[in-house]
Amino acid sequence: NAGVTQTPKFQVLKTGQSMTLQCAQDMNHNSMYWYRQDPGMGLRLIYYSASEGTTDKGEVPNGYNVSRLNKREFSLRLESAAPSQTSVYFCASREQANLSYEQYFGPGTRLTVT
Amino acid sequence: GDSVTQMEGPVTLSEEAFLTINCTYTATGYPSLFWYVQYPGEGLQLLLKATKADDKGSNKGFEATYRKETTSFHLEKGSVQVSDSAVYFCALSRTNAGKSTFGDGTTLTVKP
Repeated sequence: NAGVTQTPKFQVLKTGQSMTLQCAQDMNHNSMYWYRQDPGMGLRLIYYSASEGTTDKGEVPNGYNVSRLNKREFSLRLESAAPSQTSVYFCASREQANLSYEQYFGPGTRLTVT
Repeated sequence: GDSVTQMEGPVTLSEEAFLTINCTYTATGYPSLFWYVQYPGEGLQLLLKATKADDKGSNKGFEATYRKETTSFHLEKGSVQVSDSAVYFCALSRTNAGKSTFGDGTTLTVKP
């Protein structure tokens, strides 16, 4: 049982380049999330998918797009990377979109945009 | 909107010292409250949770009690170890959409 996996672990992009961050979970969870973590700012929600077939914006969606490919996979795309998107990105999943359930996090993708 | 405020760090303690990390929240209704821990180079993992007022969450010697009257969920441990060195995040979930609000995190360093 691998839990939540993310690829790649590290990435360096030049300004204007595009890339897709991949996330998969093997726990049969319904809800999935993308966060970014910046020093001193906690975690900020970018997009989430409460259930397969739905996606919604979080707190900081500008410059990102997402795809819930199936129940297991939830990808995050940067169409034109900017230095302000340098961050650590975490994917998470939750069994149900119910407030009492905890989230399970992947190990993160460390992205640097130069 | 919802918010979570944690005591500022970093916090440095000697092994076997008592730990308190304060967490207060602002939210309408009856949120669920969580403490997550992040070890270096890893993602967050659940430490403990409480889903209703007066509930006490506990795990690995850590405890926190959901206090609705003071809107607080302070994390405590009676005797910390070097292996407890990590970043601790307080979080709340208020809606069934599953969105959570996180505090900024408190870095704990325990010295032998």
